[in-house]
Amino acid sequence: DGGITQSPKYLFRKEGQNVTLSCEQNLNHDAMYWYRQDPGQGLRLIYYSQIVNDFQKGDIAEGYSVSREKKESFPLTVTSAQKNPTAFYLCASSIQPGAGYGYTFGSGTRLTVV
Amino acid sequence: AQSVTQLDSQVPVFEEAPVELRCNYSSSVSVYLFWYVQYPNQGLQLLLKYLSGSTLVESINGFEAEFNKSQTSFHLRKPSVHISDTAEYFCAVSGNDKIIFGKGTRLHILP
Repeated sequence: DGGITQSPKYLFRKEGQNVTLSCEQNLNHDAMYWYRQDPGQGLRLIYYSQIVNDFQKGDIAEGYSVSREKKESFPLTVTSAQKNPTAFYLCASSIQPGAGYGYTFGSGTRLTVV
Repeated sequence: AQSVTQLDSQVPVFEEAPVELRCNYSSSVSVYLFWYVQYPNQGLQLLLKYLSGSTLVESINGFEAEFNKSQTSFHLRKPSVHISDTAEYFCAVSGNDKIIFGKGTRLHILP
């Protein structure tokens, strides 16, 4: 079955470390998105990509980086510059960016700083 | 620019009672509206969507939402809730290149 796979489900990071969250989809979707979720704050967009080898900053891109070398993959790196990285991270994809196409979400990665 | 306001952060309701989760939106372009549901420690799942046509849209598990253009609303309703409906619900509006989500409403089902 097609879908989005996020790994790992739980991730622990030490202060000053970079960590990479994986997001893979086999839906043949063009667009992919990364969101951060904190209690009471809803979903905040970190980065999004509408096509391979191109991506745009979202509302809270500082301290994060992404790449889109393959259509299927959109990994997110949480760098040491992100001062408060503890959160639930969600990856999503869409057939195409734009009107009417809903998102398919992964099951999320919970990142905790220890 | 598009925006979404979910008017209640939490809604407690007794089991088998009706519920309404309120959502208002603003959009300067054609409107496409969504409701997503998130169960604990999971991703979001599409519950229902309005693209065009009938203003009343239904999901397979008894939820419905009505698109009201004059009031710029897309409220979600269910006539009788079950304990399994406990979740967080997100209203969303489609922009030019991405979907804008509301902050979510937690539905608490009371026994």
